Order: sequence, then C-alpha cells, then structure tokens
Amino acid sequence: NAGVTQTPKFQVLKTGQSMTLQCAQDMNHNSMYWYRQDPGMGLRLIYYSASEGTTDKGEVPNGYNVSRLNKREFSLRLESAAPSQTSVYFCASSEFLFGGIEQFFGPGTRLTVL
Amino acid sequence: SQQGEEDPQALSIQEGENATMNCSYKTSINNLQWYRQNSGRGLVHLILIRSNEREKHSGRLRVTLDTSKKSSSLLITASRAADTASYFCATATTQGGSEKLVFGKGTKLTVNP
Repeated sequence: NAGVTQTPKFQVLKTGQSMTLQCAQDMNHNSMYWYRQDPGMGLRLIYYSASEGTTDKGEVPNGYNVSRLNKREFSLRLESAAPSQTSVYFCASSEFLFGGIEQFFGPGTRLTVL
Repeated sequence: SQQGEEDPQALSIQEGENATMNCSYKTSINNLQWYRQNSGRGLVHLILIRSNEREKHSGRLRVTLDTSKKSSSLLITASRAADTASYFCATATTQGGSEKLVFGKGTKLTVNP
C-alpha cells in the first residue's frame, strides 16, 4: 500500500498562473483534507471532504478550489497563484471525518510562487 | 486561530536523555493527538488520548492529559538520534456542530549523538 500520494513534489509558479495539486489514497478512507504549512507554523486546514461528493471550507480557503473526484482522489486547484500561497501543501486522509482517529499524511508538495 | 500551543518551541538534548514537550489549549476537547514530522516529510500520527483518559503509553512514548489545566505532555524516554523531528499536538473539538482538528506550531526536537 502506498498510503497517501501527492504530485508534484515541487512546483514553481509565476504570479497569476494556475495549477492543480493531486492527491490519492489507497486506504479506502472516506475523508480527505488539504492543509498548508508555513515556516514556524502548524498546519492550517484549507478544505476537506467528509465523504465522496462533499467538500467544505476549512480555516484558509480563499484562493483555492477543490474537487473530490472519487473516493480515492482529492485535488486542490490554485486558479491565480499569488506569492502568499508559497507554502508546503499536505494532503491527508482518515477513515471518518476528524474525530477520534488518526489522519494519514502524504509527503507534501513544496510550492513557490514568484 | 491556533488551539494547541507547544512548549518549548525548540529542545536540544543528548542521546539517551528524556525529552518532554508540552501542549496547552483553550477550549474543551474531544481528544488530543500527537504527530511527528521529520524534516521534509509529512506528519506521522504517534498517539491519541481521549478527554476521559489521563495517561497513555506507546513504546517509549508517554502522553498525559490534564483537562483541568487544559494541557498535555509528551515524554520520549531514552531518546535516539532518529527521534530528531518536529512534534505537533492537535486538538479535536466540536464547534458549531462540526468537529475540527487544529494543529499547534510544534516543538523542534534535536537529539545529539
């Protein structure tokens, strides 16, 4: 089992460009999440999907959109990238939403917006 | 806003020593989780303690929870160089009818060989 996989690992964008970060999990989990991590900060939740077909905003959703393509895949899209979106992005999944269970994390995508 | 706050921000110890990290939070929680992040990697779940539990062990890890003081501690005994990582607490709370998991800023632990 690969767990949670993310592509790409690294990306450099110019201001105004768009891109989609891909995430897939093979653990048959219902819930998936996108976080961003900035230097010296904990993780902040961007969007989450409780189950296939549903998505909800987290703490910092502005400038992002998401798609829960199927149970396995959850993508994050930046429509018009800004330097403030320079960050490391982590996808995670769990059997159910939040709750008393652990989340499994992908290795991250390091994004730089110039 | 951050719910859990770890203390200290950074900790440097020698191999074989014990490492203690603390997490304080502000509101009632359903459970508290500790995660480890090695440099350049994703987070890995270490241990979860529920609000009605006071202490939990997993290998060399010991977690305590004091709900009256709204604090938790993570103790790593007999530390190894491989324990070098950042450690985050995450608090699960119910807000507005939905459950949230909020991560602190982390403690950076360095274990010197």
